[in-house]
Amino acid sequence: ETGVTQTPRHLVMGMTNKKSLKCEQHLGHNAMYWYKQSAKKPLELMFVYSLEERVENNSVPSRFSPECPNSSHLFLHLHTLQPEDSALYLCASSQADRAGANVLTFGAGSRLTVL
Amino acid sequence: GQNIDQPTEMTATEGAIVQINCTYQTSGFNGLFWYQQHAGEAPTFLSYNVLDGLEEKGRFSSFLSRSKGYSYLLLKELQMKDSASYLCAVIDSNYQLIWGAGTKLIIKP
Repeated sequence: ETGVTQTPRHLVMGMTNKKSLKCEQHLGHNAMYWYKQSAKKPLELMFVYSLEERVENNSVPSRFSPECPNSSHLFLHLHTLQPEDSALYLCASSQADRAGANVLTFGAGSRLTVL
Repeated sequence: GQNIDQPTEMTATEGAIVQINCTYQTSGFNGLFWYQQHAGEAPTFLSYNVLDGLEEKGRFSSFLSRSKGYSYLLLKELQMKDSASYLCAVIDSNYQLIWGAGTKLIIKP
């Protein structure tokens, strides 16, 4: 148990479905992140919320939509996904400090399969 | 472009020592992380290096040479539970975190 909880752990969806991934952190951190992890590839940063402001990643398709209602909760809304979106989606949090090392605490991930 | 290179997979024997290398080419440098990720679990923080030299933490040590763009993670007295992926990540000049693809370490009895 890392203090970052992700649900669901596994999700199978069709290309026309709408679903959401949820992340909750109990560490009092002020920044939250969504990462995509595909086999044998580096982690891809999708979205960052730092001090409740969203930092965009322009390469993320609009079929992924983040929401951060407060500093403890983060959602990733999914709609009309493609099979290549199948991956492990990791949530992380940190105590953001621009001048230093932000050690990330990760959740165990949501394994997404798009049929 | 920015790049982090790590071996894809390594195999070692229980009780032995293994060194996992990481080389990087990034726009600036503000520190380097190592994370451990067991299959199906969250990546967890192992070490952070920002100055040259060796940082020791129990059975694990991490080394950094900024002039060579090189780091390694040294694992001693290997145990079966050390079977995991090891992720190297560098903070660049814009404080963005650049990740390697990870090294899968297999420990054999």
